[in-house]
Amino acid sequence: QSVLTQPSSLSGTPGQRVSMSCSGSSSNIGKNSVHWYQHFPGTAPKLLISTNNQRPSGVPDRFSGFKSGTSASLVISGLQSEDESQYYCAAWDDNLNGWVFGGGTKLTVL
Amino acid sequence: EVHLVESGGGLLQPGGSLRLSCAASGFPFNAYTMNWVRQAPGKGLEWVAVIDSSGTSVSYAGSVKGRFSVFRDNAENSLYLQLDMVSPEDTGVYFCAREWHVGFDYWGPGTMVTVAS
Repeated sequence: QSVLTQPSSLSGTPGQRVSMSCSGSSSNIGKNSVHWYQHFPGTAPKLLISTNNQRPSGVPDRFSGFKSGTSASLVISGLQSEDESQYYCAAWDDNLNGWVFGGGTKLTVL
Repeated sequence: EVHLVESGGGLLQPGGSLRLSCAASGFPFNAYTMNWVRQAPGKGLEWVAVIDSSGTSVSYAGSVKGRFSVFRDNAENSLYLQLDMVSPEDTGVYFCAREWHVGFDYWGPGTMVTVAS
């Protein structure tokens, strides 16, 4: 059971706008920044959204992040086939004194 | 260009020990906090350990505390993870990741650890 809660799966069609959630608590998301990672099997995970809503260089602007209270969300506008991947949220947890990840959301592009 | 490359993975029996290495290049290694993250087969990412830039402050996930040790050699630009008293639940791909204020901005490709009798 992950400390951060994400839906296990999500699907959308090309061009659609999809949103995936990440729910935490006052000791993690409520106090610290949320980061989002994209992970294709067999490769290194990639930082997709940092510090709640910042896109690292090279990340398409169709990806955006939001945070409110103890929850966060990743939004993909204009879904593309290459976006089919696993997505993870993460945050530092002050009580656990460590990083916590969500269980991951598998995004399928239909 | 930033490069992180893990090594040292392999097959070991329950109760055994293994040391993983992460060779870093392309950035001032001694300025960065480093982490280990793992992924069990068919499971999600799980944070394992963090070590600050000087190597004086460390923290571990509850699932590995007391069994794993993280340390670094800044002169050799290397990060290590000592795995002791391993169990089948420790099976997975182990990634090293560079931490900056923005999160884990660079990751290695990972090294596979299999614990089985």
